[in-house]
Amino acid sequence: GAGVSQSPSNKVTEKGKDVELRCDPISGHTALYWYRQSLGQGLEFLIYFQGNSAPDKSGLPSDRFSAERTGGSVSTLTIQRTQQEDSAVYLCASSLGYGSYEQYFGPGTRLTVT
Amino acid sequence: DQQVKQNSPSLSVQEGRISILNCDYTNSMFDYFLWYKKYPAEGPTFLISISSIKDKNEDGRFTVFLNKSAKHLSLHIVPSQPGDSAVYFCAASSTSGTYKYIFGTGTRLKVLA
Repeated sequence: GAGVSQSPSNKVTEKGKDVELRCDPISGHTALYWYRQSLGQGLEFLIYFQGNSAPDKSGLPSDRFSAERTGGSVSTLTIQRTQQEDSAVYLCASSLGYGSYEQYFGPGTRLTVT
Repeated sequence: DQQVKQNSPSLSVQEGRISILNCDYTNSMFDYFLWYKKYPAEGPTFLISISSIKDKNEDGRFTVFLNKSAKHLSLHIVPSQPGDSAVYFCAASSTSGTYKYIFGTGTRLKVLA
């Protein structure tokens, strides 16, 4: 079956522009996570969606970052007024949800802000 | 505040020998731990997990050990193979929380042929 897909795979944008990153989770997975990995760093948690519950946004670094999950499936991560420090690989993962802890990751979107 | 620490950024091991990757955590609420393996330009893939009710979990060449009193876990790979060369991340979660995972910074393993 299809795994987690993310688009675009690479994105170069100018400082100050808005970007949207997309994640298609595995069908039937109710939990969806966004992480980012900056150069030489570990995976930094950003946001977590579980079913229809309110998302856990505790990892979002600033109010320039927001995420939506429409219909309990596809998710978009939006970064407004991008800054150079936003340059990183943005990873999406999904899991079956409560009671299932294994996360399946997508290949990531490499964002470069110039 | 780094709640999950992997203090060795890199490790080199000869093919056929044992690789030991270490991970320390500070939050006593963590009760579920996972190891992920990541190749360049790919997302991390799940390797093995352990619940705090156990102190060892084994899957083929991979064994994870958990020492709760020391807040320490380790991943053993025996025997190591060149295809094991990757970055390994440990992650921790509290199952009484929102299943948010905290990842370490990773250890780059190189298995020398």
